[in-house]
Order: sequence, then structure tokens, then C-alpha cells
Amino acid sequence: LAKTTQPISMDSYEGQEVNITCSHNNIATNDYITWYQQFPSQGPRFIIQGYKTKVTNEVASLFIPADRKSSTLSLPRVSLSDTAVYYCLVGGGPFSGGYNKLIFGAGTRLAVHP
Amino acid sequence: NAGVTQTPKFRILKIGQSMTLQCTQDMNHNYMYWYRQDPGMGLKLIYYSVGAGITDKGEVPNGYNVSRSTTEDFPLRLELAAPSQTSVYFCASIRDREFSSGNTIYFGEGSWLTVV
Repeated sequence: LAKTTQPISMDSYEGQEVNITCSHNNIATNDYITWYQQFPSQGPRFIIQGYKTKVTNEVASLFIPADRKSSTLSLPRVSLSDTAVYYCLVGGGPFSGGYNKLIFGAGTRLAVHP
Repeated sequence: NAGVTQTPKFRILKIGQSMTLQCTQDMNHNYMYWYRQDPGMGLKLIYYSVGAGITDKGEVPNGYNVSRSTTEDFPLRLELAAPSQTSVYFCASIRDREFSSGNTIYFGEGSWLTVV
């Protein structure tokens, strides 16, 4: 699994757009990029997944540049309920070892203030 | 379809006692994982399994044991509990080793363990 680097913490205010960037310099050709969200006292849950360019769903967008060495999770107009830890996970490609040993990084603690 | 189910949700153990955290998934997932998460920290992989009969160590396996006799069940055994094992434990599963559309990791709700 590719090693990832994220900011330890971020602060924002309600209504703002939040962008969290993850670096993954040794991403393999077939690896996917997935982001998970974890609220206190809960297990992480899937937010969004992508391979290249841009992916958008009802809660977030994922921007992946052409070299794929980083990715940015974008949360539009955050609310207090978006306060959580966000994890970037890279891997799962057919020739990258898949998810045999699924190790999460430290994640990014996002605090949204009124 | 219940997803990933963990029991018990809360447990207090005395130092030196043993116990088993149960994890069951009904999604026919091959891959299963146990993590621990200390307060304010990230997830640490304890053990994982790539299929029935196959298990391997993660980042922090000391003090724990696992077994995988069926696809559905992946119990975590704590032998001789120590205060350092006070943590929240999460079980997770994924369908197969590769990502494809809709293939994501599912987590249980967690088991809170206190060793006193």
C-alpha cells in the first residue's frame, strides 16, 4: 500500500469550502485513491473514490492531477456535522498488493467552527 | 444484510483476564481486519485475514491472537489483558483485494474495552 501524507489538522468555519490534500508519491499505476470519514466513537465510512481527474458525488469532490502523486478532497460549504477525521487511502490495484495489509495513516482532523 | 457486527460493544476487564471480541460479516467478504484506536489517535492494524484459514500480523499484534475458521467470523482474542490494551477495537472487511466500482471497506461499530 502506498504511503500517504496528510495535514494533521485543519480548521474551518461553517459555509466555507474545505480542501484536504493527500500526498502519495509512490502510488502504483493501478492504485485507486479512496477517502474515509470517521466521526468520534464510530468506525470510518466511505466518502469518495477515484483513479484520475475529478470525481464528484453528493457529499464531496475528489481532484486528482495527471501525475496522481497527490489528491485533494473538497468538501463544499461545510457544516458543524462535518467535524471528523478524514483518511486518505491509496491502493487496491491488481498489481499493487491489493489490500492484504490495510494500514491507515494518521488522518486529518477537521474542526468546523460556528 | 447486517454488514459487520461486533460484540460486545463495551467491556471492562481486570488485569490478567482474557476475553474474545467477536466479529461477523454477512457480505461474503474474503478480507477481514482488526484495528485498535487509542484516544485521539489513528487506526492501528492488529491482525488481518485474506480468507478462511489464513491470518497474518499487522502493525501491533503483541498480546492478541486471531483465528479465521469461516469466511464470516474473525474473532480477536486478548490473553492476559493489560492496561495498555484499553482502547476501541474496530473490525473491518472488504470483498476482495482489488478496487472495482463499489468495492469499499466496511467497519463495525466498535468495541470499547477498558482494562483495570
